Amino acid sequence: DAGVIQSPRHEVTEMGQEVTLRCKPISGHNSLFWYRQTMMRGLELLIYFNNNVPIDDSGMPEDRFSAKMPNASFSTLKIQPSEPRDSAVYFCASSFVGGHDGYTFGSGTRLTVV
Amino acid sequence: KNEVEQSPQNLTAQEGEFITINCSYSVGISALHWLQQHPGGGIVSLFMLSSGKKKHGRLIATINIQEKHSSLHITASHPRDSAVYICAVTSGSARQLTFGSGTQLTVLP
Repeated sequence: DAGVIQSPRHEVTEMGQEVTLRCKPISGHNSLFWYRQTMMRGLELLIYFNNNVPIDDSGMPEDRFSAKMPNASFSTLKIQPSEPRDSAVYFCASSFVGGHDGYTFGSGTRLTVV
Repeated sequence: KNEVEQSPQNLTAQEGEFITINCSYSVGISALHWLQQHPGGGIVSLFMLSSGKKKHGRLIATINIQEKHSSLHITASHPRDSAVYICAVTSGSARQLTFGSGTQLTVLP
């Protein structure tokens, strides 16, 4: 398995633009997580899905953020409109509920909003 | 008070030294995770444990449920072990991770 695949690796965009981050989880994993990492706040959960259904989106900062998981092999995190304070590394991770393995993280998307 | 606290925040060691990183948590947990993050890099899951001890190569993780404490040990440390080590927990039926602030480890040759 190629692991959790995120795209793009780097994104630089202007304030006000729409940004879409993409994630392909590991095949067979039934939970998918979006985390954000900043110097000030460390790693924080934004939202997680179980069997493609959003379970906890309490970490989504505001209405500018939205996430979807239309099927078991794909998820998107969208920011519209983007703001400089959204600059961070966004990680996607997947796991199998009930399994004894941990989480597998993607390589992250480094977002810079100027 | 954070739910997950790590110590030390920064640690510098000489190559070959035995290293210990500590993690304390204040909530009931279903599992504790140790993660590794290299500079500018992704996050790798090292261990998931809910009791006892696990070993992988030069890395050992232990957990004491009664004391709500876990340690990550690195034997015969090497400069390539330099990274941020993050403790994280899952609680109850919740699947999401709650993270500690991380320990920056630097191993000097």
